[in-house]
Amino acid sequence: AQTVTQSQPEMSVQEAETVTLSCTYDTSESDYYLFWYKQPPSRQMILVIRQEAYKQQNATENRFSVNFQKAAKSFSLKISDSQLGDAAMYFCAYPNSGTYKYIFGTGTRLKVLA
Amino acid sequence: EPEVTQTPSHQVTQMGQEVILRCVPISNHLYFYWYRQILGQKVEFLVSFYNNEISEKSEIFDDQFSVERPDGSNFTLKIRSTKLEDSAMYFCASSLAGRETQYFGPGTRLLVL
Repeated sequence: AQTVTQSQPEMSVQEAETVTLSCTYDTSESDYYLFWYKQPPSRQMILVIRQEAYKQQNATENRFSVNFQKAAKSFSLKISDSQLGDAAMYFCAYPNSGTYKYIFGTGTRLKVLA
Repeated sequence: EPEVTQTPSHQVTQMGQEVILRCVPISNHLYFYWYRQILGQKVEFLVSFYNNEISEKSEIFDDQFSVERPDGSNFTLKIRSTKLEDSAMYFCASSLAGRETQYFGPGTRLLVL
C-alpha cells in the first residue's frame, strides 16, 4: 500500500534560522510526483513545492527547497531564513497511481519563534 | 491567476438535514476531487471525478454522499442526511492532468449540530 509518513508532529525554529521537515513514503512506482502543502490558520491548502521523481535535481522555490532521496523514499522540506508567516501545518502528499488522489501525511506543525 | 472557489465558506446544519457544497474548479482542469479534514486531523480523500464519472471513492463516501458536475463548471458534493461526525472542513481540488498539481479551494467549514 502507498503510504506517506511525517514523523515530526511539531517543530520549532527561530526566526531567520533554517528548519527541515521530514517525509517518507512508500511506493513501487518509478515515476511520480511529490508535493508539500502549507496550511496556515485559515486552513487553506497552499502548494509550497513539487518534485518530479525522474528529475535528479532537487526542487527549489525561493526559501523552500527539498532534499529528495529516491532510493531512501525520503522527501524532506527545508525552509531557509524562516519568517513568522511560515508558521503553519505542513503536509507532504503523494498522488496515488491510477486515480491520482492525494495520500497525505499526518502533518507537521511548524512554530516560528521571534 | 485562476483559482478554485468554494461556497459557502461556512455552513451550520441540523443533524439529518441535506447539505450541498459547491465548488468551481479551474476552468480547463479535467480532474476533480473532494477531501475532508476533521479539526486537528489529517486530510482524507473522499472522491475523485473524471470524464463525468466517479473514478474512485473512499470508504467514507457512502450512500449518503454524492457528487455532480451539473453544468460543466460547478462541481458539487451533496450529503443527504448529515451526521454529527460529518462536521469537518471540506476541500475541493482540481488538476489539469492526473499527476499534475492539485489546486485546492479555500474550503467549506461544515458544522452539524
